[in-house]
Amino acid sequence: DSGVTQTPKHLITATGQRVTLRCSPRSGDLSVYWYQQSLDQGLQFLIQYYNGEERAKGNILERFSAQQFPDLHSELNLSSLELGDSALYFCASGAEGAPYNEQFFGPGTRLTVL
Amino acid sequence: AQKITQTQPGMFVQEKEAVTLDCTYDTSDQSYGLFWYKQPSSGEMIFLIYQGSYDEQNATEGRYSLNFQKARKSANLVISASQLGDSAMYFCAMRENRRAAGNKLTFGGGTRVLVKP
Repeated sequence: DSGVTQTPKHLITATGQRVTLRCSPRSGDLSVYWYQQSLDQGLQFLIQYYNGEERAKGNILERFSAQQFPDLHSELNLSSLELGDSALYFCASGAEGAPYNEQFFGPGTRLTVL
Repeated sequence: AQKITQTQPGMFVQEKEAVTLDCTYDTSDQSYGLFWYKQPSSGEMIFLIYQGSYDEQNATEGRYSLNFQKARKSANLVISASQLGDSAMYFCAMRENRRAAGNKLTFGGGTRVLVKP
């Protein structure tokens, strides 16, 4: 158990809909990262937040947005969903200044868009 | 832009034998970190081992070791004495050590390892 929690574990929805994925980082970690894992794109970095502020952005679609709240949990909002958004979405957290700055991944949310 | 290449999509290994998973990377940065993660069929990502670009010694963590050849830009993972529980996908990843890049990881395509009894 990495200490990072993600809810829900599975999500099935229809095209055009909007969903929210939730992540709670490990206790003490200020950074939260979102990654998407799909069959055609592999594992891709979406966005990073550090202590409530956006730190880095990857190939995140304009239909997707994220935020990190004062209690450090984070939400990834996916809107106008398309079939191609079906993927495993990981949240990871890290403590900058840790020996390796390694990221600890949550169990993921598997999103299926029908 | 960074790129991570894992040329072996899948491998079989006999239980108790060693296996080497290849990873090459491309970056113009001098300072970077290299990671290996394991993803079992259950889906979670498990951190295995880290190598910093300035580390002179190859990293080791239990049965995992990293064969780091900086001039060749390779960071191969060696798993010794394979166990059935080692069957999983293995991902190589790189982190740029530039503040503007945040702390994001760039992943390779992965190698699936199947350990045979």
